[in-house]
Parts: sequence; C-alpha cells; structure tokens
Amino acid sequence: DGGITQSPKYLFRKEGQNVTLSCEQNLNHDAMYWYRQDPGQGLRLIYYSQIVNDFQKGDIAEGYSVSREKKESFPLTVTSAQKNPTAFYLCASSIPGQTYNEQFFGPGTRLTVL
Amino acid sequence: SQQGEEDPQALSIQEGENATMNCSYKTSINNLQWYRQNSGRGLVHLILIRSNEREKHSGRLRVTLDTSKKSSSLLITASRAADTASYFCARPSNTGKLIFGQGTTLQVKP
Repeated sequence: DGGITQSPKYLFRKEGQNVTLSCEQNLNHDAMYWYRQDPGQGLRLIYYSQIVNDFQKGDIAEGYSVSREKKESFPLTVTSAQKNPTAFYLCASSIPGQTYNEQFFGPGTRLTVL
Repeated sequence: SQQGEEDPQALSIQEGENATMNCSYKTSINNLQWYRQNSGRGLVHLILIRSNEREKHSGRLRVTLDTSKKSSSLLITASRAADTASYFCARPSNTGKLIFGQGTTLQVKP
C-alpha cells in the first residue's frame, strides 16, 4: 500500500531533551512537509523540502531541525530550544512544481513534554 | 495573517441535516482545497476547486467558489454521524506551500 507513515504515534519527552519524529513515504513524492497543530487550531508549517538534500524554513522553524538525505524520509527533531513543544505533529508529501498540489498526510505524532 | 478565515468555528447539527462551512481569503488564488480531519488523525483531501470553476460536486459534497468575494463554501448534504470531523480549507501560496484555515469543527448528532 502506498502512503505516509509516522512514528511513534505518541511520544513523551522530558524538558531539555531532543526528540526525533519519523516520517516515511513510498508515494515517490519529491516534496515533504512538517506541520504543527495545537488544540482547536489549524496547521502551521515548520519545515518543507522540495527535493532531496534541500529544505526550507516554514513559519515556525525555531527550535526544530530537519534532514532530507533520502527521498522517502524527512525526520523532524524537536530540540530543547523549542519552548512549548507539546503539540500534534503532521507530516505530508506532494508532487512539487504543480499548481494543483494535493497533499497527502500521515497519521500524526502526539508529543507531550513532561 | 496569511491564513484563511473559516466560519463557523464549530457547528452542531442533527443527522440528515445539511452542513455549510465557509472560507474566506485575502489574496488571489488559482485553486482552493478542502480537507477533513477526524479527531487525532491526519488530514484527508476532499476536493479541489480551480479559480475558473464556480461549483464542484463529489458525492454528498458541494463546493462553491466566488473569486470576486474571495470566499468558498463547503456543503455536506444529508449529513451522517460519520461526517463528524474538522474541515479545513487550504490555498497554495506563490511558493507552492499550502496555507490552511483555522478549521470548522462539525458534530453530527445521531
């Protein structure tokens, strides 16, 4: 089955720790995205990547880092510099360069800071 | 804010009734998309309407677009309890990113 997977589904972190959220896709999409969603809110873009070995900051990149070494994978690290990391994190992918770019989403990771 | 505005923020209806959600935006668009999110899950693409289209249907969904008013609406007809979810509009920015609205939370009571 083609799709996007995220792991883990739930993640607990102590203050001061870095954690890495996994995102993998087998849709052969070049573009991948990370969003943050707070309760009752819409999605805010953290980072995005249009192609392997390249990525750009989104609207709320501070305290986060990413890598894009493989087309299939776009891991997100939440660093200790992120002041309020408790949130729901969504990964998505799409075919870049198209005007009508539908995004495909993973099931999400819920991060809680203890 | 670049985000669109959606209203209402929350909507509660009985099964069988129609649900209408509205989305407004500020800049020119070439398309507008609607997504659905079940509680605690990822988003699922529902429908895309292009700027040269006024109305589009998909099953029980009807989307309209008024580019002169910079607004779109999503109508769900004959709603079911399974339609309970949050619904988001999204428009592409000039760099290809999608900008999402705040969403409308729909509750359909059986």
